[in-house]
Amino acid sequence: DAMVIQNPRYQVTQFGKPVTLSCSQTLNHNVMYWYQQKSSQAPKLLFHYYDKDFNNEADTPDNFQSRRPNTSFCFLDIRSPGLGDAAMYLCATSSASMGNQPQHFGDGTRLSIL
Amino acid sequence: GNSVTQMEGPVTLSEEAFLTINCTYTATGYPSLFWYVQYPGEGLQLLLKATKADDKGSNKGFEATYRKETTSFHLEKGSVQVSDSAVYFCALSDKTSGTYKYIFGTGTRLKVLA
Repeated sequence: DAMVIQNPRYQVTQFGKPVTLSCSQTLNHNVMYWYQQKSSQAPKLLFHYYDKDFNNEADTPDNFQSRRPNTSFCFLDIRSPGLGDAAMYLCATSSASMGNQPQHFGDGTRLSIL
Repeated sequence: GNSVTQMEGPVTLSEEAFLTINCTYTATGYPSLFWYVQYPGEGLQLLLKATKADDKGSNKGFEATYRKETTSFHLEKGSVQVSDSAVYFCALSDKTSGTYKYIFGTGTRLKVLA
């Protein structure tokens, strides 16, 4: 089945220690998104890629970076995690040309900061 | 800008009760509308969608009708089950700079009691 896969499901890191979350997709969608979701809140868009074009949200902290080496993979790098960055991180994909199609989400990575 | 407003939860119902979760939106143009469901510890899953006025989306006993005149997309189910307990998100797609971004409501937690 075509899908969006996030690894790992659970990640624990230390305060200030860089961490990378990964996302892969078999849908061949040209848009990939990263969201941050805190408890009982809506997902908050951090940035998205349209093919190789990176689009950052205005309020995304500089601490968050992303890489997309190819169509299938996208990474979220948190350079110096703070306690406030503990959250669920969701990756999603969509087809850029079809706004009437839904996003496809992975199961998320839950990040804990010690 | 475009936005989505959902009724606040939590909503607590007995099994087999009728469910309504209200969703209204503000948008220029004609967005597509979606309902997503999120079970504990998982990503968002598409529940149903509607792409134009008067469309009815339906899936697993859930229904929602795209009402342009009232800018609403209320979610309904005639008889809920314990397994429907989850958080429900209303969303719309918004095209900007060539790609579609998805705007989510704040989510409504549903708890169904046996």
